[in-house]
Amino acid sequence: EVQLVESGGGLVQPGGSLRLSCTASGFIFSNYWMGWVRQAPGKGLEWVGNIRPDGSDQYYGDSVKGRLTIARDNTKNSLFLQMNSLRVEDTAVYYCARDLGGCGSDCHPYWGQGTLVTVSS
Amino acid sequence: EIVLTQSPATLSLSPGERATLSCRASQSVRSYLAWYQQKPGQTPRLLIDDASKRATGIPARFGGSGSGTDFTLTISSLEPEDFAVYYCQQRSIWPLTFGGGTKVEIK
Repeated sequence: EVQLVESGGGLVQPGGSLRLSCTASGFIFSNYWMGWVRQAPGKGLEWVGNIRPDGSDQYYGDSVKGRLTIARDNTKNSLFLQMNSLRVEDTAVYYCARDLGGCGSDCHPYWGQGTLVTVSS
Repeated sequence: EIVLTQSPATLSLSPGERATLSCRASQSVRSYLAWYQQKPGQTPRLLIDDASKRATGIPARFGGSGSGTDFTLTISSLEPEDFAVYYCQQRSIWPLTFGGGTKVEIK
């Protein structure tokens, strides 16, 4: 069974940092594009970024470029989101997701349950 | 950036009725468009990928069509569990983008 389990969310002050993790199981992690999507309270979905299967390249949404960094460790079936210089408007549920894009016509999207990040003083 | 415009923002219908949701892209996304359903407090659920392919386990009452810039999600006969918010997402060009959503509510 495919599973994506996020962790690391919580309360952080503006300007602070946080690192989210996503642990994958049930599929060959190193074969898939991975990424993050977020959803602010009561709002729609916003793509954060994606990383290639081998980790060699990343793509980001404009609102997070330079502050949020995606990385992966294929030996540990893990995806990470390093969040720096956090702002109140970064408050959201962050979802780990497989195959949101970059996979051409052979995509198999799957989402985790999400982890809540709250940026507040 | 490709902008996805979903209409209407809200659709008020009764169970058993047909729902037609639209997603229009600001430039061609070929057939690289997905539809998701989201209920309150839940993770988005993939309904349709590649514009018209139903995801595993999705009932046949859900159908997708379109290519290029105009796409439609049709629910042939609404069941009580179908009242939710629906999002389209394109994966043709970076950055990936989502539409603003259509809420299907009970009339």
